[in-house]
Amino acid sequence: NFMLTQPHSVSESPGKTVTISCTRSSGSIASNYVQWYQQRPGSSPTTVIYEDNQRPSGVPDRFSGSIDSSSNSASLTISGLKTEDEADYYCQSYDSSIWVFGGGTKLTVL
Amino acid sequence: QITLKESGPTLVKPTQTLTLTCTFSGFSLSTSGVGVGWIRQPPGKALEWLALIYWDDDKRYSPSLKSRLTITKDTSKNQVVLTMTNMDPVDTATYYCAHSRGARPDPWGQGTLVTVSS
Repeated sequence: NFMLTQPHSVSESPGKTVTISCTRSSGSIASNYVQWYQQRPGSSPTTVIYEDNQRPSGVPDRFSGSIDSSSNSASLTISGLKTEDEADYYCQSYDSSIWVFGGGTKLTVL
Repeated sequence: QITLKESGPTLVKPTQTLTLTCTFSGFSLSTSGVGVGWIRQPPGKALEWLALIYWDDDKRYSPSLKSRLTITKDTSKNQVVLTMTNMDPVDTATYYCAHSRGARPDPWGQGTLVTVSS
């Protein structure tokens, strides 16, 4: 099975834009949809992006997702950063109904 | 509105078998395409997928834990049960269940912390 690799942490200032990457180790990133989850301390993960670039209702349009076949990676971009965006973010994909999660990225908004 | 809630022991001893129950509402596990998955998260660490069961009783397991896991469903009770054998302190984690449609977990339950200690 494949792995999804994320940076351990990123930090940026309020109002700025940050991008978190998620690189697939084998197989094409475009073969299976990628989801992104936000997890605040003490809470369960919630979906911020599904099917590569779809935003659930209630998620601000400051959150966007994309995939890049040339780097075999997915990206989560958060623009107009707010302190409330500070959280852990996980990418997730699958293959033959085997789910795979990335190692998570801690976003600090300072 | 879909909701899920995990239940089970908070403390188990090493070598014991863990049994967790996910009780859900707002959907039926007899509906085509629907599944329920289990995911765990050790304190301060990343999410790890464990198992998944579909409406048609198709079951999938994490390759690294497959020999220790069993997932079953009781459609009439709206419950999914996960058993994990031979528990070890490294299995200490918050265990989540989640609704699935289209190979993605959403939404998730609140999670239940299981500690493995003698």
